[in-house]
Amino acid sequence: QSALTQPRSVSGSPGQSVTISCTGTSSDVGAYNYVSWYQHHPGKAPKFMIYDVTKRPSGVPDRFSGSKSGNTASLTISGLQAEDEADYYCCSYTGSSSVVFGGGTKLTVL
Amino acid sequence: QLQLQESGPGLVKPSETLSLTCSVSGGSISRSTYFWGWIRQPPGKGLEWIGNMYYSGSTYYNASLKSRVTISIDASQNQFSLKLSSVTAADTAVYYCARLLGSRAFDIWGQGTVVTVSS
Repeated sequence: QSALTQPRSVSGSPGQSVTISCTGTSSDVGAYNYVSWYQHHPGKAPKFMIYDVTKRPSGVPDRFSGSKSGNTASLTISGLQAEDEADYYCCSYTGSSSVVFGGGTKLTVL
Repeated sequence: QLQLQESGPGLVKPSETLSLTCSVSGGSISRSTYFWGWIRQPPGKGLEWIGNMYYSGSTYYNASLKSRVTISIDASQNQFSLKLSSVTAADTAVYYCARLLGSRAFDIWGQGTVVTVSS
């Protein structure tokens, strides 16, 4: 199972919106509505941000939203804040209780 | 509040077996219908799924690691473990344990533990 494809980096200014894409195949992202997203600050545990493509766990700001079209899922962060600067990873269910992660995207807040 | 904590040797010699434990506090690992999993992050690289285990004992592994990985549960100690055999420098990474929502998303993570493979 190959890693999902994410852009290496994205950037935006405070208050702006950014979108991070996550491209898979018809066997993973395209096959299931089970894409999740994680925010990872170096040295800390990854934080659970989005699951089942669009759902936000309790406590995650509604500035974070997820979507999917075909084999590509996306994470959009609106009203960008300095503390949003982190690495972001997507993850997709691939069947048989297995998953695959994306390569990660570094978000820089300018 | 459920918490997970990884523990184990920080240094493992090449060709030996890496053994890590994830201790679960704030809830019983065997009284809940959850999956429990392991993920790693090599230096400078992204997250890699290692494998999952259902509370009943069924296991599911990354195909690229399957021949070397064993995940097991010790319900009496409220912990689960990872064993990775025949390690090489490529297995050097931060290893995380986590609880899964269904079998599809990792909702609670441990802080991670660094494992270096070196002689």
